[in-house]
Amino acid sequence: SYELTQPLSVSVALGQTARIPCGGNNIGSKNVHWYQQQPGQAPVLVIYRDTSRPSGIPERFSGSNSGNTATLTISRAQAGDEADYYCQVWDSSTRWVFGGGTKLTVL
Amino acid sequence: EVQLLESGGGLVQRGGSLRLSCAASGFTFSSYALSWVRQAPVKGLEWVSAISSSGGNTYYADSVRGRFTISRDNSRNTLYLQMNSLRAEDTALYYCAKVVDGSDPAFDIWGQGTMVTVSS
Repeated sequence: SYELTQPLSVSVALGQTARIPCGGNNIGSKNVHWYQQQPGQAPVLVIYRDTSRPSGIPERFSGSNSGNTATLTISRAQAGDEADYYCQVWDSSTRWVFGGGTKLTVL
Repeated sequence: EVQLLESGGGLVQRGGSLRLSCAASGFTFSSYALSWVRQAPVKGLEWVSAISSSGGNTYYADSVRGRFTISRDNSRNTLYLQMNSLRAEDTALYYCAKVVDGSDPAFDIWGQGTMVTVSS
């Protein structure tokens, strides 16, 4: 089965750039989606198919994917960006696969 | 407004059954695949089950296959999850989610979830 690996936590200073990695075997050959989950809230899709943003998602959110690592980048981090972030891919055998999630702390 | 509203969660004994519902509004229900995703307390997201737009194809995670059954009623814009032989490890917040069309599908709309607690 396909597995995705995320760090448990990432910290970023207010106004700086946060980068959240998501590792997987040859993940660059897959489309990666990213979700933001605020405390006590349902997940929200923030990036789909590696780099696309749904309507209403700020341009500060961007994504990239190459080799064995996909990355969610949050520019000019704000206090409101503090949340858990999950990467997700589709695998033909396992179907929908989520990473373990990364807690972003804005200092 | 596109909306998904889950219901049917509660406290159930180990080995018991529960049926979850998800009422949809604001989009053409019969045109989209739907899914259930769960989140155990203080844990990450876990895909549980999915169903095609017509209901003709269903998919399950290994952890629930044979115990859970997903279904839908397109005339009522409602998604269901019948959960049997419940275990302590099924304790979680269960979300229904709308599937984005495509070869590598994502979930673009999520409900607020319904909590299932299995007591031992």
